[in-house]
Amino acid sequence: EPEVTQTPSHQVTQMGQEVILRCVPISNHLYFYWYRQILGQKVEFLVSFYNNEISEKSEIFDDQFSVERPDGSNFTLKIRSTKLEDSAMYFCASSERYGGRLGETQYFGPGTRLLVL
Amino acid sequence: KQEVTQIPAALSVPEGENLVLNCSFTDSAIYNLQWFRQDPGKGLTSLLLIQSSQREQTSGRLNASLDKSSGRSTLYIAASQPGDSATYLCAGSSGAGSYQLTFGKGTKLSVIP
Repeated sequence: EPEVTQTPSHQVTQMGQEVILRCVPISNHLYFYWYRQILGQKVEFLVSFYNNEISEKSEIFDDQFSVERPDGSNFTLKIRSTKLEDSAMYFCASSERYGGRLGETQYFGPGTRLLVL
Repeated sequence: KQEVTQIPAALSVPEGENLVLNCSFTDSAIYNLQWFRQDPGKGLTSLLLIQSSQREQTSGRLNASLDKSSGRSTLYIAASQPGDSATYLCAGSSGAGSYQLTFGKGTKLSVIP
């Protein structure tokens, strides 16, 4: 069964450093998402992406964050200058069609656990 | 803005018991209600999705229901097994041009052999 994959599974970085989290969505999916889960808290939406553009973003997704689809298979989340509070599990998700469409399932990857020291 | 709540936060049951997990949401204009399973330190596995036009969905021992008027969804697990032990999350999308899923905090289920 096709699945969303993410690399790395764990990343440790120093505060102020840039990190890039990578995702390979399911191959025929057109809509891509990033969510994050701070330890012990709810999963929170960050951003959705379609047709090489951000289609929706949350208040969390400020200028420190960016997303890109650098080629036909990868989808990346960049954090420009990491802060301690960016430590979280970051999940990539994809859906075949518009994620708000009736009956459209979002499929999640296994996550990247980011630790900022 | 959609808010999703799951009660209880944790539940422990003996193996073989049937159980119900609860999810409530504030915006009755919900489009999709999705149930996920999360194992410790792992990703989210989609279990079931109920569209707003549906009242329930079934997959194996799982049955999810949706009552928009009361703002509630339930996940029924029949004949629970130790392998069902995990955190169960519900998440809703409101459509209307929004892509995001809004999650509850989850119910941590422990099935005791």
